[in-house]
Amino acid sequence: DGGITQSPKYLFRKEGQNVTLSCEQNLNHDAMYWYRQDPGQGLRLIYYSQIVNDFQKGDIAEGYSVSREKKESFPLTVTSAQKNPTAFYLCASSIGQGTYEQYFGPGTRLTVT
Amino acid sequence: SQKIEQNSEALNIQEGKTATLTCNYTNYSPAYLQWYRQDPGRGPVFLLLIRENEKEKRKERLKVTFDTTLKQSLFHITASQPADSATYLCALDRDSSYKLIFGSGTRLLVRP
Repeated sequence: DGGITQSPKYLFRKEGQNVTLSCEQNLNHDAMYWYRQDPGQGLRLIYYSQIVNDFQKGDIAEGYSVSREKKESFPLTVTSAQKNPTAFYLCASSIGQGTYEQYFGPGTRLTVT
Repeated sequence: SQKIEQNSEALNIQEGKTATLTCNYTNYSPAYLQWYRQDPGRGPVFLLLIRENEKEKRKERLKVTFDTTLKQSLFHITASQPADSATYLCALDRDSSYKLIFGSGTRLLVRP
């Protein structure tokens, strides 16, 4: 089956710890994205990547970091610098530039206390 | 600044009726618009894409319209079913790129 996987589904961390969220796709898509979703708000773009070894900041990149060493993988690290990290994180991919729909993973709900 | 608005109040309708959801945008000239469905605790799923030069798009019981003069898209589900209950998100391309801006979504509840 082709698709996007995110792990884990739920993640709990103590304040001050960095945490890495996994995102893997086997759709052979060039573009990948990370979004954050808070209750009552739309998805907000954190980082995106058009090709391997290249990524760009989105609208709310502060406190986050990413890497794109392989086409299939786009992990997101939530650092201790992120002031309000508790949220639902969604990874997505698309074929590439253009009017292509985005395919989303199941999401990771991160809770930081 | 670019803004997308969807009705934050839930839409509650009877099974068999047509559901109509609205997406309005300002300070914006998108080349295309997309609609997604999101179930609680899950990632959005793509439903339809409509381009700026298309007035209407259909897929089975779904219909989307795009009025660039009114800066509005309407999303219709005909013969609605309880299984259609979900949150529906609209999304527009930004700066004619593949990056999307999402609305906050409208929750649809279909009563049996």
